[in-house]
Amino acid sequence: SQQGEEDPQALSIQEGENATMNCSYKTSINNLQWYRQNSGRGLVHLILIRSNEREKHSGRLRVTLDTSKKSSSLLITASRAADTASYFCATLRGSGGGADGLTFGKGTHLIIQP
Amino acid sequence: DTAVSQTPKYLVTQMGNDKSIKCEQNLGHDTMYWYKQDSKKFLKIMFSYNNKELIINETVPNRFSPKSPDKAHLNLHINSLELGDSAVYFCASSQLGGRTNEQFFGPGTRLTVL
Repeated sequence: SQQGEEDPQALSIQEGENATMNCSYKTSINNLQWYRQNSGRGLVHLILIRSNEREKHSGRLRVTLDTSKKSSSLLITASRAADTASYFCATLRGSGGGADGLTFGKGTHLIIQP
Repeated sequence: DTAVSQTPKYLVTQMGNDKSIKCEQNLGHDTMYWYKQDSKKFLKIMFSYNNKELIINETVPNRFSPKSPDKAHLNLHINSLELGDSAVYFCASSQLGGRTNEQFFGPGTRLTVL
């Protein structure tokens, strides 16, 4: 069954504004990852947050994790046209340390209007 | 110097045919994966291989079979193709026990079954 659910499914904002995407998951996790997918391309890893972390920053990205609510958010500040893409949260399946692969949410399609 | 490569990028074929998709990674990773992304962009793990052993095998029809000639390659064979097999197939790799369990994705193979 699907682990993650992103919210919203689609988001359109003006360049320069901040974009916030949310993700909920169902089972306990060791970490949660966010990936970006540009149209027609493969996924690119953006950031990982561990279950004992509450917030993490990387450049214009800020990720939060609330394990009590089983939710995470991805904030992109000062958005640029190049940020237009689909964003997915993902969690590790099973307890095999990654051998079982990732379970992905449905994704948020972000459009940055110039 | 592509990290994870897949061939072909596009594959158009008739129902009932048998086809293969190739994947190679030059990252020295020990685990490789196949994911299927459907028309709604939902990504689902199909297989993973670790040190030439199949780790998981999702509820995927046995018409699909992964073949790993060595640690750097994981090919996907599909027999008796059906319309519902039309999707984008992504290969990925990771190093188990690594700091992040980050997965590196190939560019995808868009399979269209007519």
